Amino acid sequence: QKEVEQNSGPLSVPEGAIASLNCTYSDRGSQSFFWYRQYSGKSPELIMFIYSNGDKEDGRFTAQLNKASQYVSLLIRDSQPSDSATYLCAVRIVAGSNYQLIWGAGTKLIIKP
Amino acid sequence: DTAVSQTPKYLVTQMGNDKSIKCEQNLGHDTMYWYKQDSKKFLKIMFSYNNKELIINETVPNRFSPKSPDKAHLNLHINSLELGDSAVYFCASSHLGGTNNEQFFGPGTRLTVL
Repeated sequence: QKEVEQNSGPLSVPEGAIASLNCTYSDRGSQSFFWYRQYSGKSPELIMFIYSNGDKEDGRFTAQLNKASQYVSLLIRDSQPSDSATYLCAVRIVAGSNYQLIWGAGTKLIIKP
Repeated sequence: DTAVSQTPKYLVTQMGNDKSIKCEQNLGHDTMYWYKQDSKKFLKIMFSYNNKELIINETVPNRFSPKSPDKAHLNLHINSLELGDSAVYFCASSHLGGTNNEQFFGPGTRLTVL
C-alpha cells in the first residue's frame, strides 16, 4: 500500500514567521511531488511541484525534496493570514501503465495575526 | 472561462435515491478524475479516465458508475444512495504524461444523504 503521510495539525504560526510543512512517502519509485492548498469550502489548487532533489523556490514558497529520506517539505516565508488553509501533499507514482497521484490527509495551517 | 465545472454544486437527497453529478473541462486535457473528500478532508481517488478509457478504478462500491462520453466530460452516477456517501465529490483533469501532472479541480459537489 503506497502511502503519503502528513501531520494533520493544526499548525499555528505567528504572522511574519516561517511555516514549515512536512510530508513523507513510502514508494521509492515516486517521481513528482506536489503541494496543493485548499481553503475551507474550496477546491485544492496547486502551489508548487518538484521532481529533483534539493530546493525549488517560487516567491514566498520553497519546496524541498530529499528522495533518499523520502520526504518533501514546503516552507512559507513571511506567513500571512491569507496563507491559513489546509496544505495537501501529493506524490505521483507509476500505476501499471499509467500515473496516479497519492494524496496525504493534509496539514491545517493557521497564521495568527 | 471556467476550466473545470461541476453540476450541481449542492445535492441533498434521501437514502435509496439515484443521483448523477456532471463534470466538464475546457482545458484540452486527456485525463479526468473523480475524487471523494470526506469530513476529515482526506482526498480519495475513485476513478480516472484517459481519452474516454477507464484507467483507474479504485475499490468503490458498484453503486458508483462513471461515464465518459468524450474526453471533455466525465459524469458520475450513484445508485441506492447511503448515508456514508455524504461527502464532497471533486472532479479534476490533467494531462497524463510529462513531469508535471498538475490536476485542475472543479468547485466540488457537496452531497448530503438524509
